[in-house]
Amino acid sequence: GAGVSQSPSNKVTEKGKDVELRCDPISGHTALYWYRQRLGQGLEFLIYFQGNSAPDKSGLPSDRFSAERTGESVSTLTIQRTQQEDSAVYLCASSSRSGTGYTFGSGTRLTVV
Amino acid sequence: AQKVTQAQTEISVVEKEDVTLDCVYETRDTTYYLFWYKQPPSGELVFLIRRNSFDEQNEISGRYSWNFQKSTSSFNFTITASQVVDSAVYFCALGNFNKFYFGSGTKLNVKP
Repeated sequence: GAGVSQSPSNKVTEKGKDVELRCDPISGHTALYWYRQRLGQGLEFLIYFQGNSAPDKSGLPSDRFSAERTGESVSTLTIQRTQQEDSAVYLCASSSRSGTGYTFGSGTRLTVV
Repeated sequence: AQKVTQAQTEISVVEKEDVTLDCVYETRDTTYYLFWYKQPPSGELVFLIRRNSFDEQNEISGRYSWNFQKSTSSFNFTITASQVVDSAVYFCALGNFNKFYFGSGTKLNVKP
């Protein structure tokens, strides 16, 4: 597609429920990143996928967080047993191998009540 | 360790003033990229510029200019003749192809 698409744009969930966030990168972009942005704060790296290589999961804050990506297509970020501190905007970005700057989606605003 | 510091949390200026946003970084990599992104109130991150570590030439794009100084590990961003539409949070970022580290952002308020 023309840009990075994320869905849903907003998600309100009850504490303890699982949520799944989706990212559809720009076609042909081999790299995909997930970031978290808490209210009024900067971006916190979560996970990075590059083609079929093993993902860099070093930013995942706990084992309740996981992400998958098949090849160079859609990625899903799953948060299990959500907690209130998980409330944030989750941003996805993709880039080409040349690293000409990456393009962010508009994010999923997650609210855990 | 990789780190980006944007010491200015918030800046307020009056329209038409020039404003410089500071960015200082730390890295042990010899090859790296530096970025600036703009996040307007709508929330979407807008790419402004990428600079690689071997290119210290300053760049000007319209009212925007960037001053990259490797000697001081700084990559500052200047907006000339600021406009109300420039009001946003601006993020500086450092990285390579694997992982990017963002500063905490500088909120710029441009008042009419």
